Amino acid sequence: DVKVTQSSRYLVKRTGEKVFLECVQDMDHENMFWYRQDPGLGLRLIYFSYDVKMKEKGDIPEGYSVSREKKERFSLILESASTNQTSMYLCASSPLGVTGASGNTIYFGEGSWLTVV
Amino acid sequence: QKEVEQDPGPLSVPEGAIVSLNCTYSNSAFQYFMWYRQYSRKGPELLMYTYSSGNKEDGRFTAQVDKSSKYISLFIRDSQPSDSATYLCAMNKAAGNKLTFGGGTRVLVKP
Repeated sequence: DVKVTQSSRYLVKRTGEKVFLECVQDMDHENMFWYRQDPGLGLRLIYFSYDVKMKEKGDIPEGYSVSREKKERFSLILESASTNQTSMYLCASSPLGVTGASGNTIYFGEGSWLTVV
Repeated sequence: QKEVEQDPGPLSVPEGAIVSLNCTYSNSAFQYFMWYRQYSRKGPELLMYTYSSGNKEDGRFTAQVDKSSKYISLFIRDSQPSDSATYLCAMNKAAGNKLTFGGGTRVLVKP
C-alpha cells in the first residue's frame, strides 16, 4: 500500500525556533512536494523536488527551505518560525508526469499541524 | 485571478440527495482533471480522474469535463453522511509534474 509518512502530526513551537518537518515515501517516486493548507486559501505549494538534491520554489517559498538528500526523504525547514507560519503542512509524492491514471497521481501524507506561539 | 476557481461552500444536503460540485479554470493547456476527497484532519486522496473532455462514472460518482467552457463537475448520487468531506479539483498539463488545485468545497451530508 502506498505510504507517505510525516513524522510529526502536531507540533507547538516558539517564535524564532528552527523547525524541521520530515517526510518519507515508500513508493520510489521521483517527485516530492510540500504544501501548506489554510482555511480560505486552499493548498499552496511551498517547494517541489523532482530528484535527489534538486528543488524548485513553489508559490510561497519565503521563510522556508527544503532538503532532499535521499530519494525517499524530503524535509521542510522553517529557519526562524513566525506566527504566520501556523498552518497544516502536507507532504506529498508522485511519479513523473501526473495524469491521475493507474496510480499516477499525487499521494499525500496525513498532515502536520504546526502552531507557532 | 486564480487559475482554478472553486466555491468553498459549505454545501449542505440531506442524505440521499445529489451533490453537485464544480470548478472553472482559465488555462486551456490543462488536459488531466482530478477530484480529491479530504476528510477532516487527513490528507487528500484521489477520488476520480478524467483525461480531456467527456464523462466518467465510478459507482455513485460521475466526473464531467467540458473543455470548451473550461468547466469540470463532480456529481455524487445517493449521498451518504460518509461523503461529508472537502472535495478539491486538480488539473495538470501534459507531462506536467505539479497539479493546480482548486480551493476545495466543503460538503456536509445530513442524516
